[in-house]
Amino acid sequence: EIVLTQSPGTLSLSPGETATLSCRASQTVTNNYLVWYQQKPGQAPRLLIDDASRRAAGIPDRFSGSGSGTDFTLTISRLEPEDFAVYYCHQCAHSPWTFGQGTRVEVK
Amino acid sequence: EVQLVESGGGLVQPGGSLRLSCAASGFALSDHNMNWVRQAPGKGLEWVAYISRTATTIYYADSVKGRFTISRDNAKNSLYLQMNSLRDEDTALYYCARLTGWTGDYWGQGTLVAVSS
Repeated sequence: EIVLTQSPGTLSLSPGETATLSCRASQTVTNNYLVWYQQKPGQAPRLLIDDASRRAAGIPDRFSGSGSGTDFTLTISRLEPEDFAVYYCHQCAHSPWTFGQGTRVEVK
Repeated sequence: EVQLVESGGGLVQPGGSLRLSCAASGFALSDHNMNWVRQAPGKGLEWVAYISRTATTIYYADSVKGRFTISRDNAKNSLYLQMNSLRDEDTALYYCARLTGWTGDYWGQGTLVAVSS
């Protein structure tokens, strides 16, 4: 099983700042099948990025994904009020599919 | 508009059974592989089960293997999760998710399963 470790657990930032979220895999994520989701309270996860760096339809370009192999990063530039949420990375390269434990981006 | 609507959740005693349904609209279910994913209260996401478009390939998380059964009826545009021998630790919000490639691109709003005596 691929274990995904996200850091930090919580990120306290102000609107307009840049958030950098890390996701480290315990083994190589084949074909960079690494996905990032955003989840707000009471809502289902929302797809942001797949294949490590491809933005999903309708996702603003302030969200960007990078990385390969075992180290992946989600960067949110110029944080907007609606970006404060929990972010999960997810690998769909190998069964069992696994998720990171999440990073909470909160208002400082 | 793509929509996924889960139903069938509720309160059940340990050892009991429930059958969850996921009604798909706005697309042909037969064109997509599907997942069930759950989220315990206040916790993160956990993948539960996968089914391919024609149900020829099925995977389960170890935590539910032998107790849960995923199935689908493409003619009815519906996905199911039969849950038997339920345990306290199965308490969670259960989401169905449409897969495009291997990515869950659309998710329902979830149905809550509570296992308690």
